[in-house]
Amino acid sequence: AQSVTQLGSHVSVSEGALVLLRCNYSSSVPPYLFWYVQYPNQGLQLLLKYTTGATLVKGINGFEAEFKKSETSFHLTKPSAHMSDAAEYFCAVSWPGGFKTIFGAGTRLFVKA
Amino acid sequence: ETGVTQSPTHLIKTRGQQVTLRCSSQSGHNTVSWYQQALGQGPQFIFQYYREEENGRGNFPPRFSGLQFPNYSSELNVNALELDDSALYLCASSSWTSDNYEQYFGPGTRLTVT
Repeated sequence: AQSVTQLGSHVSVSEGALVLLRCNYSSSVPPYLFWYVQYPNQGLQLLLKYTTGATLVKGINGFEAEFKKSETSFHLTKPSAHMSDAAEYFCAVSWPGGFKTIFGAGTRLFVKA
Repeated sequence: ETGVTQSPTHLIKTRGQQVTLRCSSQSGHNTVSWYQQALGQGPQFIFQYYREEENGRGNFPPRFSGLQFPNYSSELNVNALELDDSALYLCASSSWTSDNYEQYFGPGTRLTVT
């Protein structure tokens, strides 16, 4: 069965520190992979996506993620956290020609001054 | 280019009642998906509409139904509301020609069932 697992429901980092949010997926076919961010009382905003091609994907706000097929992972990173990065982050998976997107449970990122 | 809009923003209903939520897709998009996001959880896929037909459905009972109109706006209807239906309901539009690999989300409707 297809699924998405985000390790750590809460992650806390200091401002300027590395951000690492973990995502692993389970899929029987090559997936499309996404990271979304959600600020309080708002909808989801796409940070970045992987469909095909280069496995290191760069997104908005300085975030990037690397698709590692052998590890079935798509971890999100940012070299230096800003206070404005504090939000909920969701990893999601979809499939070519599919109609459904499966989301992880989310990771809330806290940034300390 | 206008984004995805949803109405109303907030809604309070009583158990057993019916509710209709509305979504206007992003210009040029012919596919709309609906998601339920319970507090503290990720969005759960309800169903998708393409060219006014249901194109796929998640694990939700038949009392969750939808419509898509010729202008690609959409409605989500929920009958016989239950307390567990309290959630943020998100719609997302996409273009089928781009293989549905990027969705644009609206701000959501917060439904509270008492």
